[in-house]
Order: sequence, then C-alpha cells, then structure tokens
Amino acid sequence: EAQVTQNPRYLITVTGKKLTVTCSQNMNHEYMSWYRQDPGLGLRQIYYSMNVEVTDKGDVPEGYKVSRKEKRNFPLILESPSPNQTSLYFCASKERDVTDTQYFGPGTRLTVL
Amino acid sequence: AQKITQTQPGMFVQEKEAVTLDCTYDTSDQSYGLFWYKQPSSGEMIFLIYQGSYDEQNATEGRYSLNFQKARKSANLVISASQLGDSAMYFCAMNLLQGAQKLVFGQGTRLTINP
Repeated sequence: EAQVTQNPRYLITVTGKKLTVTCSQNMNHEYMSWYRQDPGLGLRQIYYSMNVEVTDKGDVPEGYKVSRKEKRNFPLILESPSPNQTSLYFCASKERDVTDTQYFGPGTRLTVL
Repeated sequence: AQKITQTQPGMFVQEKEAVTLDCTYDTSDQSYGLFWYKQPSSGEMIFLIYQGSYDEQNATEGRYSLNFQKARKSANLVISASQLGDSAMYFCAMNLLQGAQKLVFGQGTRLTINP
C-alpha cells in the first residue's frame, strides 16, 4: 500500500530534550515536506526537500532541523524543544511534477511541557 | 506572497443538501495549483480535488467539484448531496508552479452535517 508513515504518532516531552520524528514514504517520491498545524492558522511549511541531500527552509523553520540522506526518509529533528513547538506535525511527499498532489502522513501530535 | 483566505470558520448543513465552502486566494503569479483537503476528526489529511490555473474546465471528483473563478481569484468547493461522513475540517491550499513547491493553506472551515 502506497503511504507516508510517521513515528511516533503521539509524544509528550519536556523542554530541552532532543527528539526526532521520523517520516518514511514508499512511493519513490522525490519531494518531501514537513508542516505544522495550529488552530486558526491552517498548516504551515517547516522544511522541504526536492531530492536526496537537498533541503530548504519553509515559512517556520526556526527550532527545527531536517536531513535527507535517503530518498524515502525525511526526519524532523527538534534539538531543544520548547512549549511553542507543541503542535500537530505532518510529513508529506509527492512526485517532482509541480501539479502532483502532496500525500500526507497520519500526523504526529507533539506536546512540549 | 501567496495567501489563502477561508472566511467561514464553521458551517452547518442538513444531510443531502449541497454545500459550498468558500476560498479566495491571492498571488501575482499566473501559474499555480489549487487544492482542497479534508481533515476528519481522526486527523489525517485527505486530498479531494485539484485545479490548475490554466485549466479551462472546473475540476470534478465524484460529489466534489471546484468552482474556479479566476478573475475573482476564488476556488470554492461544492459538495453535492452531503452525507454525515462529510463532517470534517476542510482546507483550501495553493502552490506555485515555479520554484519551491510549497503548499500554502487557508485557516480551514469546519463543516457539520446534521441528520
């Protein structure tokens, strides 16, 4: 089954404790992206990657890191999480063509205390 | 910069009625794509429909159609014969067909279908 998977789905952590949210897709998509969803703000892009070893900042990159060492994986790293990073996070992937639809993972609900 | 505006925070509709969810967008680019996604209470984002800025025909996918009015910069979603399972949050989004392929989302509309 074609899908984007994220782990963990739910995470409660404390301020300053480094964490990684994994994202993996099995569709051989070149493009991958991370979004965060906050009430009243819709989804906002954090980082994106057009291909392996190619990453770039989205609209809200502060406090996050990403890497793209393999085509299928695009982990999101929070080196020192803070309470304002409490949010619902989505990973997405798509083919390279600009008209192609982005397919989203199931989401990771993160709470930083 | 691109911007998407959804002016209806919430809508309540009787089952089997048609419903229109409003979406207006702002961009100075001529090449862009418009998307609608559905987010049920379970949280996942489900793609519904796509419209390209150069498409002359309005997009349709089953009970979903996109009322694209380019001059007004609007891309309203029409759901015909609504069902209880249509209750969800709906997001309008756009991306430019040049450069970074970022989706810009609106704030969303929460649709509730009443039996």
